[in-house]
Amino acid sequence: GDSVTQMEGPVTLSEEAFLTINCTYTATGYPSLFWYVQYPGEGLQLLLKATKADDKGSNKGFEATYRKETTSFHLEKGSVQVSDSAVYFCALSTTSGTYKYIFGTGTRLKVLA
Amino acid sequence: DTGVSQDPRHKITKRGQNVTFRCDPISEHNRLYWYRQTLGQGPEFLTYFQNEAQLEKSRLLSDRFSAERPKGSFSTLEIQRTEQGDSAMYLCASSATDRGNQPQHFGDGTRLSIL
Repeated sequence: GDSVTQMEGPVTLSEEAFLTINCTYTATGYPSLFWYVQYPGEGLQLLLKATKADDKGSNKGFEATYRKETTSFHLEKGSVQVSDSAVYFCALSTTSGTYKYIFGTGTRLKVLA
Repeated sequence: DTGVSQDPRHKITKRGQNVTFRCDPISEHNRLYWYRQTLGQGPEFLTYFQNEAQLEKSRLLSDRFSAERPKGSFSTLEIQRTEQGDSAMYLCASSATDRGNQPQHFGDGTRLSIL
């Protein structure tokens, strides 16, 4: 079945460091791909999305490119801030009529001042 | 757009009791999803509604779980005879059906603790 694999955390970085969180997927068809962020005690917030191969999603300095040939959707940010500390989830949306999400296990990011 | 609202935020109950959670989706969204998230894991799909019709249920949704969306607006998730393993965060999400596959908007969740 469909699945998402994320790099394990926690990831600890200093402020202004470069961030990469790896995400690969297995799916039939051509799913849409998403990154969500979860701050403590809150629900998931959409960070960015891509709906077809070679699409680049971007938001708040974060970027991810839908790579069909490597079945990847890695999250990157050039310069992280303390406020980026959160848990990041990669997800795919199934291509069936329900469009339910399959999530990765999440990667906790901690940014130190 | 007031966002997805879930109630209560926290529920503590004794094993064997019944609990019910409520989700109010974004008003124009006709797709509604329930997910369960345990500590250190990503959310897992439980069930899906399109308007009032429940169109898919995960195998995670045992006979003790039931979900409804009676008028295609708010939804309820009931767990009967709760067990320790039911302790989790229960997330509700909604999305629109127009213009293809739209992102899901999540509520803040209901955290269930079974004593």
